[in-house]
Amino acid sequence: QKEVEQNSGPLSVPEGAIASLNCTYSDRGSQSFFWYRQYSGKSPELIMFIYSNGDKEDGRFTAQLNKASQYVSLLIRDSQPSDSATYLCAVEPYGGATNKLIFGTGTLLAVQP
Amino acid sequence: DTEVTQTPKHLVMGMTNKKSLKCEQHMGHRAMYWYKQKAKKPPELMFVYSYEKLSINESVPSRFSPECPNSSLLNLHLHALQPEDSALYLCASSQGRSDEQFFGPGTRLTVL
Repeated sequence: QKEVEQNSGPLSVPEGAIASLNCTYSDRGSQSFFWYRQYSGKSPELIMFIYSNGDKEDGRFTAQLNKASQYVSLLIRDSQPSDSATYLCAVEPYGGATNKLIFGTGTLLAVQP
Repeated sequence: DTEVTQTPKHLVMGMTNKKSLKCEQHMGHRAMYWYKQKAKKPPELMFVYSYEKLSINESVPSRFSPECPNSSLLNLHLHALQPEDSALYLCASSQGRSDEQFFGPGTRLTVL
């Protein structure tokens, strides 16, 4: 059973701080990794994707991938109350069916003004 | 234009009704997906169409019937649903394998 694990939270951070969201996955051969943000009652919105080991930065967001440790994280710098949402980690496992993503259960982030 | 549209936004139906959900994308993507999401749970994959052919059916009950009329459109036909089928139904599209998936706004379905 291929799994993606996230701490459900809530993760509470003060405004302006760095929020660190973590995700581990069980399939060592996984190739593609995605972070989605989902506000309550809305659909998931793609925030970042990463394919290679290391860091990838986009504005206030940095995705970090460590395939040896089977770990992917999302850092949000200068957190704002508008960042309060559930963050879903999604992983495409190796081989098997085309285009299938395995989602974690999500981490609820609460940014306190 | 990175937009996936879905209609209707909300749908209430009885257990004997037949209804359809519609999804459209104009990004030239070759893969389209249906997901089901219950409250406080992650999206669950239902179906994947790749190049207009059904490539994944995640053992979804036959009361859900997908259809891909062309590369831009995806339908989900609903018949004899159960109250436990009430959920947010999400459509997504991607260029291909390993590419990021873009979600539509979803259809909030309530089965009475």
